Amino acid sequence: AQSVAQPEDQVNVAEGNPLTVKCTYSVSGNPYLFWYVQYPNRGLQFLLKYITGDNLVKGSYGFEAEFNKSQTSFHLKKPSALVSDSALYFCAVTTYSGGGADGLTFGKGTHLIIQP
Amino acid sequence: EAGVAQSPRYKIIEKRQSVAFWCNPISGHATLYWYQQILGQGPKLLIQFQNNGVVDDSQLPKDRFSAERLKGVDSTLKIQPAKLEDSAVYLCASSPNFNEQYFGPGTRLTVT
Repeated sequence: AQSVAQPEDQVNVAEGNPLTVKCTYSVSGNPYLFWYVQYPNRGLQFLLKYITGDNLVKGSYGFEAEFNKSQTSFHLKKPSALVSDSALYFCAVTTYSGGGADGLTFGKGTHLIIQP
Repeated sequence: EAGVAQSPRYKIIEKRQSVAFWCNPISGHATLYWYQQILGQGPKLLIQFQNNGVVDDSQLPKDRFSAERLKGVDSTLKIQPAKLEDSAVYLCASSPNFNEQYFGPGTRLTVT
């Protein structure tokens, strides 16, 4: 069975400072990792993904994430936080079974609060 | 490109009643997913379709939940009878291949 852990319920960062939202995973086989963001009363929006290749992946709105296989981690980062980044962030993992993309297993989410 | 459409956006029913949700995926997307998101938790996969066939329904409570995807396009998720613990947001997502999933706005169900 696959699982995702987001150890922090909430992360507080001052505007302009770098931010990190942590994610670790457990999966059999090669992981395919995703970050999604959810704004109030809105659906999930895709931010970035790791499938293969370069361990540092860049995504939407200046976000990036680093895949670390030895630590089974996929932390989300941004060099300079904006107040508009305040939202609920989900890390997710899946595997490829050969029949297509399997359903995502999500973490419980991390509330990111950027203080002006 | 039009996104994933879901209806209704909100639904309030009494326990033991039935309810149905509808999803129209992005055109051309072969894979369709239904997730349940309970308040304060991450979404949980209920069922996955590849075209009109079920790939994974291992987490679907089959005694009360059912889903179908006729003609490999639109999909309907039904709950009959509903329980209080079914109160959640039901998310539909679609994917063209092994790639990111695109989510609809969700249907917020309240069971009283």
